[in-house]
Amino acid sequence: AQSVAQPEDQVNVAEGNPLTVKCTYSVSGNPYLFWYVQYPNRGLQFLLKYITGDNLVKGSYGFEAEFNKSQTSFHLKKPSALVSDSALYFCAVRAHMDTGRRALTFGSGTRLQVQP
Amino acid sequence: GAGVSQSPRYKVAKRGQDVALRCDPISGHVSLFWYQQALGQGPEFLTYFQNEAQLDKSGLPSDRFFAERPEGSVSTLKIQRTQQEDSAVYLCASSSPGNTEAFFGQGTRLTVV
Repeated sequence: AQSVAQPEDQVNVAEGNPLTVKCTYSVSGNPYLFWYVQYPNRGLQFLLKYITGDNLVKGSYGFEAEFNKSQTSFHLKKPSALVSDSALYFCAVRAHMDTGRRALTFGSGTRLQVQP
Repeated sequence: GAGVSQSPRYKVAKRGQDVALRCDPISGHVSLFWYQQALGQGPEFLTYFQNEAQLDKSGLPSDRFFAERPEGSVSTLKIQRTQQEDSAVYLCASSSPGNTEAFFGQGTRLTVV
């Protein structure tokens, strides 16, 4: 079985400060890892993914995430937060394609609040 | 189309009614997924299609839930005899063979009263 933990329900950060949203995962074999963002009354928007290769992946809107295999983590980061980054963030995992299961398993979400 | 389109955006059903939710995936995307997102929770997998074949329906919560994709494009999620616990946002996502990420529609918010 695969699972994702997002230990923080909410993260508060001041505009201009760096932000981190935490994610740990459990999956059999090599993981595919994703971050999605959800704005009110909107669907999920893809931010970035880790498939293989460089542990630091860069995505949309200045976000990046670091894959750490030994800690089974995939934390989302941004060097300088914007008020417009305030939204609900979801981490998701799926097993490598060869193992068959294509569905994503999502965490419970972390609400990011950026104060002006 | 430019993105995944779902209709209706909002649906209110009386308990016991049947509902049908529609998903138009991105053109050319062979993989299609349905997820259920309860209030304050992350999306949970319901079912997966590759073209017209339903390859995984392990997430469907009961036999009242049924999904189809007869021509490998548009998909319909049907819920029979709706219950209050079915109230949620139903999200559809699609992906192409060359991509690992899925693209989501805006969802249908179902409220059962």
